[in-house]
Amino acid sequence: KQEVTQIPAALSVPEGENLVLNCSFTDSAIYNLQWFRQDPGKGLTSLLLIQSSQREQTSGRLNASLDKSSGRSTLYIAASQPGDSATYLCAVMNSGTYKYIFGTGTRLKVLA
Amino acid sequence: EPEVTQTPSHQVTQMGQEVILRCVPISNHLYFYWYRQILGQKVEFLVSFYNNEISEKSEIFDDQFSVERPDGSNFTLKIRSTKLEDSAMYFCASSGDRGSGANVLTFGAGSRLTVL
Repeated sequence: KQEVTQIPAALSVPEGENLVLNCSFTDSAIYNLQWFRQDPGKGLTSLLLIQSSQREQTSGRLNASLDKSSGRSTLYIAASQPGDSATYLCAVMNSGTYKYIFGTGTRLKVLA
Repeated sequence: EPEVTQTPSHQVTQMGQEVILRCVPISNHLYFYWYRQILGQKVEFLVSFYNNEISEKSEIFDDQFSVERPDGSNFTLKIRSTKLEDSAMYFCASSGDRGSGANVLTFGAGSRLTVL
């Protein structure tokens, strides 16, 4: 059974700092992995999707990497801003299914 | 930018009542999903829907739940007899053709259900 874990659970950093959020999953037979952002009381916004054959994806200040064999993904945020404050969720879709398994998230606060 | 629309944004109901949550997915998407998030917990998969039938469902999605695409635009989640533990934020999502290599889910803003 796929389990997704995110570390740390919460993170508080000063503005401008580069940071790394971690995601690990127990079953490496994944189809893809997606990082989402969730603002309080709001829906989920897709940030980056990495197919199982890919090693990384980049969008602006965000870079996500995937090491399928070790069951790990990282989300790198460069030059963090207060507007980046949100909960970041990692979700994995296993091969042969249509569902995402979500981690518990990392709650990020960027201080001005 | 296309978006997934959900109504109502918040519904309060009495235990045992029927509830219908509505979603309008992105018009050219083919896959439709319901997820839920109990306060303080993980986002959990409920059901996926493709080609007018359920393609996958979780253990949570028991006989009290049903989904329907009554016309070409709406996608509904019905809970027949609500329980206290059904209180959660329910998210609808849609995605394009998995075979194209892209499966980015677009989520709605959610419907908060409170069962008293």
